[in-house]
Amino acid sequence: AQSVAQPEDQVNVAEGNPLTVKCTYSVSGNPYLFWYVQYPNRGLQFLLKYITGDNLVKGSYGFEAEFNKSQTSFHLKKPSALVSDSALYFCAVRDPRYNNNDMRFGAGTRLTVKP
Amino acid sequence: DSGVTQTPKHLITATGQRVTLRCSPRSGDLSVYWYQQSLDQGLQFLIQYYNGEERAKGNILERFSAQQFPDLHSELNLSSLELGDSALYFCASSAGQFGTDTQYFGPGTRLTVL
Repeated sequence: AQSVAQPEDQVNVAEGNPLTVKCTYSVSGNPYLFWYVQYPNRGLQFLLKYITGDNLVKGSYGFEAEFNKSQTSFHLKKPSALVSDSALYFCAVRDPRYNNNDMRFGAGTRLTVKP
Repeated sequence: DSGVTQTPKHLITATGQRVTLRCSPRSGDLSVYWYQQSLDQGLQFLIQYYNGEERAKGNILERFSAQQFPDLHSELNLSSLELGDSALYFCASSAGQFGTDTQYFGPGTRLTVL
């Protein structure tokens, strides 16, 4: 079955610096990949997704992610972090081979952006 | 605001009881998904309904059941509650039933079982 790993529980960056939140996946074939963000006491908000096509995907709030098939990764990036980006970030994967919508989420990475 | 609404926001109940969580999808969305988020298990997919029919099933316990009504709102029923059922329960909706669809999440219902 498909799975996704977020190797870092916590990422700390200074405001204005670039940020990267890492995600690796395990799917045989081409995956559908998603990034969501969760603010305290809120639901998950969709940031971006990769289905097919250009490996660099641009999303909401200045975030982007690069699909790397050889490294089975889909890291989330932003050129210049804001304090307001501090939140919990989830990577998720679906395996299109299976006729279901079982989306597997990573454990989440807590991003803290310090002023 | 995603457009997905969930009620109630908080629910406190006792072991052995039964509760119902309600979800209204975004206008026009036909699919509804239910997820459980807990500290030890993370975010887990429970079940999906599409236009009133069960479409996919994940790690949903037999004590849990769901349905989607003709007006497309959905209810998740949790019975014989145990302490371990305490969690955040999210509903999400999407336009269609395909794996490429983006899911939009509601604010969640926090269930506490005492």
